Amino acid sequence: AQTVTQSQPEMSVQEAETVTLSCTYDTSESNYYLFWYKQPPSRQMILVIRQEAYKQQNATENRFSVNFQKAAKSFSLKISDSQLGDTAMYFCAFMKHVTGTASKLTFGTGTRLQVTL
Amino acid sequence: GAVVSQHPSWVICKSGTSVKIECRSLDFQATTMFWYRQFPKQSLMLMATSNEGSKATYEQGVEKDKFLINHASLTLSTLTVTSAHPEDSSFYICSALTSPYNEQFFGPGTRLTVL
Repeated sequence: AQTVTQSQPEMSVQEAETVTLSCTYDTSESNYYLFWYKQPPSRQMILVIRQEAYKQQNATENRFSVNFQKAAKSFSLKISDSQLGDTAMYFCAFMKHVTGTASKLTFGTGTRLQVTL
Repeated sequence: GAVVSQHPSWVICKSGTSVKIECRSLDFQATTMFWYRQFPKQSLMLMATSNEGSKATYEQGVEKDKFLINHASLTLSTLTVTSAHPEDSSFYICSALTSPYNEQFFGPGTRLTVL
């Protein structure tokens, strides 16, 4: 079974600054996906970024980037130029890849990020 | 991007009654949908995997007779909470899986309050 650990329950960052959210995972799988989801106060889950385990290059999406360390089983999210709208709960998630089979997501416990003026 | 809707967005019901929640993929077909439950300030807990045309697969500890799931078409899955009790009050979220990208898109959630 897979586990996902987010060791930072809450974090705060000033507007325009950079913040890094940590995530570690444990799995015996070799082929999998990792995700960061954002859940703002509206509670709508929004995909922030996705990483395929077979890709060495770290994924980036505008102000969001990841540091994927496969050997260390670490998958941190960096938010640059933080904006007030980034205030949300952030969940790290794992999904194993099995061809032809729908795989489920395993979520971490979440990190509540507050962006302040 | 892919859009998933849920209806209703919130519902209040009396103890002992049943409540149905709908999850629809609006612009894509989803052979697989997932149902989650989320308590305040907690993570999402997977309840079951819903497969079109077949029985749902429930996670350990989830009562299949209490949480009935029907996935009758490629765009609709329903979750019925039967004989609801106050402890069933929660936020229920569905997601639909896209193919071949293996990505889940989430509905906006349904807040259930059982009095």
